[in-house]
Amino acid sequence: SQQGEEDPQALSIQEGENATMNCSYKTSINNLQWYRQNSGRGLVHLILIRSNEREKHSGRLRVTLDTSKKSSSLLITASRAADTASYFCATVAGIKAAGNKLTFGGGTRVLVKP
Amino acid sequence: SQTIHQWPATLVQPVGSPLSLECTVEGTSNPNLYWYRQAAGRGLQLLFYSVGIGQISSEVPQNLSASRPQDRQFILSSKKLLLSDSGFYLCAWTWDKSYGYTFGSGTRLTVV
Repeated sequence: SQQGEEDPQALSIQEGENATMNCSYKTSINNLQWYRQNSGRGLVHLILIRSNEREKHSGRLRVTLDTSKKSSSLLITASRAADTASYFCATVAGIKAAGNKLTFGGGTRVLVKP
Repeated sequence: SQTIHQWPATLVQPVGSPLSLECTVEGTSNPNLYWYRQAAGRGLQLLFYSVGIGQISSEVPQNLSASRPQDRQFILSSKKLLLSDSGFYLCAWTWDKSYGYTFGSGTRLTVV
């Protein structure tokens, strides 16, 4: 079952613009992670934000987490054509769940037009 | 540094044939290992995970099984493939929940 829902499902922007995508989840979490997947490839870990953190930055990426609303957002600033990919949020449960399992949302497909 | 290897990259198999996908991790010990499946244009569904040799947990009842014969080796198998087993299979590892996962490059399985 999918923990998260991502919004929008698809996003098309011009190079240089910012891209924002949102993720909502249902149960308490230990942390939330964002991944990028280029077409037909494996996933690449972008950033991890813990449940006691509200904002985190990594290069052109900014992630926010609102545990009261059970939601997160990923902002990519000054987008480049190379940012074209699918972006997934994923959560690790907050309760002492076995296996440290990641549960994924459905993803946002981002197209950055040159 | 740690690396993860997954093979083959693509596979076309007839219905009813067996399956064996292999994943190995290098440069670490006692990793948590995972098998995910991704349907076209969709998110990832966790199939199996393992926290140690011989320890396999199944998330979804299905036509597949997994084994971990060695610390850094994780195998996904089926005795008889179904059409519905087609998909993109991804192996991943992590140390624990405080770390991101590292994914393999995936195997695209088409059952015909």
